[in-house]
Parts: sequence; C-alpha cells; structure tokens
Amino acid sequence: EVQLVQSGAEVKKPGESLKISCKGSGYSFTSYWIGWVRQLPGKGLEWMGIIHPGDSDTRYSPSFQGQVIISADKSISTVYLQWSSLKASDSAFYYCARHVQPYSSSLFFDSWGQGTLVTVSS
Amino acid sequence: QSVLTQPPSMSGAPGQRVTISCTGSSSNIGAGYDVHWYQQLPETAPKLLIYGNNNRPSGVPDRFSGSKSGTSASLAITGLQAEDEADYYCQSYDSSLNIGIFGGGTKLTVL
Repeated sequence: EVQLVQSGAEVKKPGESLKISCKGSGYSFTSYWIGWVRQLPGKGLEWMGIIHPGDSDTRYSPSFQGQVIISADKSISTVYLQWSSLKASDSAFYYCARHVQPYSSSLFFDSWGQGTLVTVSS
Repeated sequence: QSVLTQPPSMSGAPGQRVTISCTGSSSNIGAGYDVHWYQQLPETAPKLLIYGNNNRPSGVPDRFSGSKSGTSASLAITGLQAEDEADYYCQSYDSSLNIGIFGGGTKLTVL
C-alpha cells in the first residue's frame, strides 16, 4: 500500500526558517515524482512543484519559484519543503502527493499525505 | 483566479444527480491534456476520484463519472448521498505555464 506520511504541525514566527517532510513507503520511492500542494485557510488547492527523488530534478510553479525549496533524500525515502524566512501569508495546509504520468498528456496525484499545518504568527 | 473555472458551490437532494463543470482553455484541457478530479471531505486530505477524464481508482463507487469535451470537463454524481458532501477539484496540465493546475473547487452540499 502506498503511504505518504508527513511531519507534524508547526507554529513559527515571521522570519523563521522551516523544513517539513514527507516520507514515502509501499512503492519504489525513486521511480515516482512527488509534489507539494498548498491550501490556504478556506481556499482551494495550489500546485507548488514536483521533485524526482531519484535524481532530485525539480520543477516549480512560477508562483512559488524562489519562495520555497523542494529537496529529497532518497536514502530515507523522504521529500522536503523548506522556507528560509516565513511570512504570515505562508500559513496554510501543505500536502505532499505522489505524481504520476501514465502517458505524456496525463499528469496527476494518485496518493496524498495527510497534510501539515503551518502557522506563522508573531 | 484559477486557470480552470468551476462553480463555487452546488447542491442537490439525496438520490439526485449533480454535474460539476470545469472550464479551461486551449493551453490545457483544449490542448488535449487529461482532466482529473479530487474529492476533499471536511478536515481531510484530497483523494483522487477520477483520473484520465473518466477512470475511477479502485474503491470509488460507479456513481461517480467524468467526461471531457473540447476545453471543458464534467464530474457527474448520481444517486447523491449525504457522504458525498465535500469539496471537488478538477486538475489538468497547462502547456503555457508548464505546471499542473487546479480548478478553484466546488463545494457540494447535500440537502
């Protein structure tokens, strides 16, 4: 069974750094891209970016390029999302999900983590 | 503003049929990219509901079906049940943005 388990909720102050994690199991971790999706309070889903844990090839949405860093450690089947200086507007749920592309015109997330709530407040 | 447009809310009585639309453009749905649908129950993570326009993952009831035509797609739910009350999101890929894109979501209320 595919499982993505995310790290727990975080409460941070503006300007602080943060790294949240997503650990995969139940499948060949280096064979599938993993993506991050943001959900602001009461809002919809936003595609942030994806990473291939096998070679750390990373693609970012223009909205998130330069704002976050997505990384991976294939030795422990874990993908990360990090911020160097948090803002209050980063407060949201963040989901990791396995990204699949069965053919060139079909790209989607087939399994999701449980979500990590990040709260940034002074 | 989302690249894919969905109605913000819809409602239906138990047993009824509802259809949620998802309208895109020539750089995403109209360019031939598949549409996928996710269900997000209250206080839970999204779950894949329909992939590849009209395919259901194992465990998804056949009350849920998807279709795609031109620059739009639809999710149909027949025999509406109370447990279907959730937010529904369509998703595709945009060749101009080179990223995956979501619709703004539709909140479905079962009356």
